[in-house]
Amino acid sequence: DIQMTQSPSSLPASIGDRITITCRASQNIGSYLNWYQLRPGTAPKLLIYAASSLQSGVPSRFSGSGSGTDFTLTISSLQPEDFATYYCQHSYSTPLTFGGGTKVEIK
Amino acid sequence: QVQLQESGPGLVKSSQTLSLTCTVSGGSISSSFYYWSWIRQPAGKGLEWIGRIYSSGTTNYNPSLKSRVTISADTSKNQFSLKLSSVTAADTAVYYCARDSPLRIVGYYYALDVWGQGTTVTVSS
Repeated sequence: DIQMTQSPSSLPASIGDRITITCRASQNIGSYLNWYQLRPGTAPKLLIYAASSLQSGVPSRFSGSGSGTDFTLTISSLQPEDFATYYCQHSYSTPLTFGGGTKVEIK
Repeated sequence: QVQLQESGPGLVKSSQTLSLTCTVSGGSISSSFYYWSWIRQPAGKGLEWIGRIYSSGTTNYNPSLKSRVTISADTSKNQFSLKLSSVTAADTAVYYCARDSPLRIVGYYYALDVWGQGTTVTVSS
């Protein structure tokens, strides 16, 4: 199985901050990397697919980059609704696996 | 707009079989190129992919659960289902169903683009 490692696991931040979350794959996965946002009580939301493509309807303050084994999710200016937990996931092969999650918290 | 809704018992006894159904509206589970997945999240932990079924009926399972999992589809009801046998407390989790879509056809870039709200299943002794 491909292991996905996210860092940090917790990220205290303030409204307006630029934040970056890192995801590392245990092997080369090209650009087969997706990012999701989970908030309590709501369905998980796809933010970025294929490492850098913005899903329809997702605000442009979200962006993704990387290829191979190292990837990042950036939020350019944190908004109140962005306090949530973020997960990366590879789609290179089965089993699909997720990173351990990064909880973005109010500083 | 495609919507997914999980349903099933919220409480299952240890050693029994967990059964959940995902009802799809606004789209057909028979549509080509889509997979229909199950994912779970134990309290305080991360997401775990359980498995998926393709429109043709082909299935893929997580090896860690393969011996206990069956995913099937009922096209007449536009539903797909999860059965997990011999459950223990470790199977207590929020269970999600999701659509796995080819968002970029060239290169077969898939992502879980539509999710249900999730349903909590507790395994009791």
